[in-house]
This record gives sequence, structure tokens and C-alpha cells, in this order.
Amino acid sequence: EAGVVQSPRYKIIEKKQPVAFWCNPISGHNTLYWYRQNLGQGPELLIRYENEEAVDDSQLPKDRFSAERLKGVDSTLKIQPAELGDSAVYLCASSLTASSYEQYFGPGTRLTVT
Amino acid sequence: GQNIDQPTEMTATEGAIVQINCTYQTSGFNGLFWYQQHAGEAPTFLSYNVLDGLEEKGRFSSFLSRSKGYSYLLLKELQMKDSASYLCAVRDDTDKLIFGTGTRLQVFP
Repeated sequence: EAGVVQSPRYKIIEKKQPVAFWCNPISGHNTLYWYRQNLGQGPELLIRYENEEAVDDSQLPKDRFSAERLKGVDSTLKIQPAELGDSAVYLCASSLTASSYEQYFGPGTRLTVT
Repeated sequence: GQNIDQPTEMTATEGAIVQINCTYQTSGFNGLFWYQQHAGEAPTFLSYNVLDGLEEKGRFSSFLSRSKGYSYLLLKELQMKDSASYLCAVRDDTDKLIFGTGTRLQVFP
């Protein structure tokens, strides 16, 4: 069974530029999460989807971040414009349902904003 | 508020036993999780506790006391490959996972 797939794995951009991350969850998983992990910290939830619906986006900085999950499968997270403080690893995770006890994480995208 | 505390770093010797503690204060409780994360890799699930007591899985065990807001992860017969960060996370009453900052464990030969 394929795991959670993310691309790109690494991205270096200049501040004020846009950037997008892509995630393909495990087949059949209805719930998809985007996390941000700063160096030396634990992951912090940005947004959670149940199928196509964003059910928790309270931690998403909506002035510059946006996300979508069309057709309830793949998801894209976008930052426009990027700031220096956005440098972090962006992790995507999926689970069968929101109440499933195990979340499966992708390898992440390491973003560096210069 | 949400608060999860765990030590920043620990060291141990190959073959030894190490206990990583975690204390938490969260809005609601729907289970406590431990994840392992090797440098540059994704977190992987280790254990889940929702009732008080000890859960054992091979060399790893996890304990929970809900009344004390306390958990620990016990690693036995340490191996070099156990060098990693160990993340304690609590699921709150909205099913959101709140992670601690992680404990970086270094195992020496």
C-alpha cells in the first residue's frame, strides 16, 4: 500500500514569492491534514479536511495561506506571498476518518524562504 | 489553554532502558499518542493510550494516568536506530492532535 505522497520534497524561494505544496493521501482515507513543523518543534495543525470540507482551519493564516481539496482526494496548500517566517517543514497526513486513532504522515516539504 | 511538556533532550546507552515523560493540560482528552520521528523524516505512530495503564508493544511501552495528566514512553534494549525525536501528542475534544515539542533521544554505543 502506497503511503502519503508529497511534492516537492524541498523548495527554496525568495520572500514575497508564491509557493504551492501538493499531497496525495492514502487511498480511501477521508480525512486529510496539513501541519507545519518548525525546527525543534512538534507539528502544528494548519487545516483539516473531511472529504472536500475544511472542518478546522482555525490555525491557517488566511491572509496568505489557502488550501483546497478538490474531489476529496488530493490537496494543495498555497502561500502567497511567502515571508521569512514561513520557513518550515509542511507535513501532510491522512486517516480513514477523523476519529481514527492513527494518522499517517507524508515525508513533508521543507520550505526555505530567503 | 493547551500545554504539553516533555524534556528537550535525553541520552542513553545501547542496551539500556530509557523513560520519556510527558505531562499535558488540554481542553478535553480523547487519547494520547506517541510518535517517533527520525531526522528529516515523517513522524511514525508508536502507541495510543486512552485508558489508564500500560500498553506494551515489543520493546516499547506507553503508560497513561489521566487523573495526573501524565504519560511516559518506555524504550527497552535500546538500539542505535532508536536515536530519534519522540513526540507526545494529545487528541483534544475536537479530535485535534496537539503535539509537544518532542524529546530528542541520542543512543550511544
